[in-house]
Amino acid sequence: KAGVTQTPRYLIKTRGQQVTLSCSPISGHRSVSWYQQTPGQGLQFLFEYFSETQRNKGNFPGRFSGRQFSNSRSEMNVSTLELGDSALYLCASSLSGGFQETQYFGPGTRLLVL
Amino acid sequence: AQTVTQSQPEMSVQEAETVTLSCTYDTSESDYYLFWYKQPPSRQMILVIRQEAYKQQNATENRFSVNFQKAAKSFSLKISDSQLGDAAMYFCAYKGTETSGSRLTFGEGTQLTVNP
Repeated sequence: KAGVTQTPRYLIKTRGQQVTLSCSPISGHRSVSWYQQTPGQGLQFLFEYFSETQRNKGNFPGRFSGRQFSNSRSEMNVSTLELGDSALYLCASSLSGGFQETQYFGPGTRLLVL
Repeated sequence: AQTVTQSQPEMSVQEAETVTLSCTYDTSESDYYLFWYKQPPSRQMILVIRQEAYKQQNATENRFSVNFQKAAKSFSLKISDSQLGDAAMYFCAYKGTETSGSRLTFGEGTQLTVNP
């Protein structure tokens, strides 16, 4: 079974631009979570989507948004990019986001904001 | 809010030796899961081992085992017979029942170096 895939793997943007990242979960998985990883803040939870609905949200500004499609693929969007948005963005999937379930991570998208 | 602390930013071990990585956490929940994830230079986060708080028996996966001390809120990872491929950043993570869905809370990470 194919793992979690993320596209693109690398991205360079300039301040003020917007960016969209994509995540395809493991086949059959309906829960997708997003995390931001930076050297200063570590790994921080952004949000979780299940059945096309945002179920949980971390403490990030409204510039960070996401959505999930009927095939469980998810996108996250960052508008008006700031230098501090440079990070590795990881997505993870699980069957339904249940308490007992393990999340499986994708390889990440490395975003550099200049 | 739950917090996870890894007090060892870096650790090193000789190949074939044993190393223990420390993790402490703070929570008021009674049931939760704890995880160790490994992140090699490729940045792919890989699950190493997991432990449910209600299970008293410590989890083991081949060369990896944990020492789960619920009262002390401690969850250490022991790697036996260390191999060069074990070199990576290791993250301790927490998932509770009260934080809905799949939200994981991570520690700061421990960079493990394996010396030949």
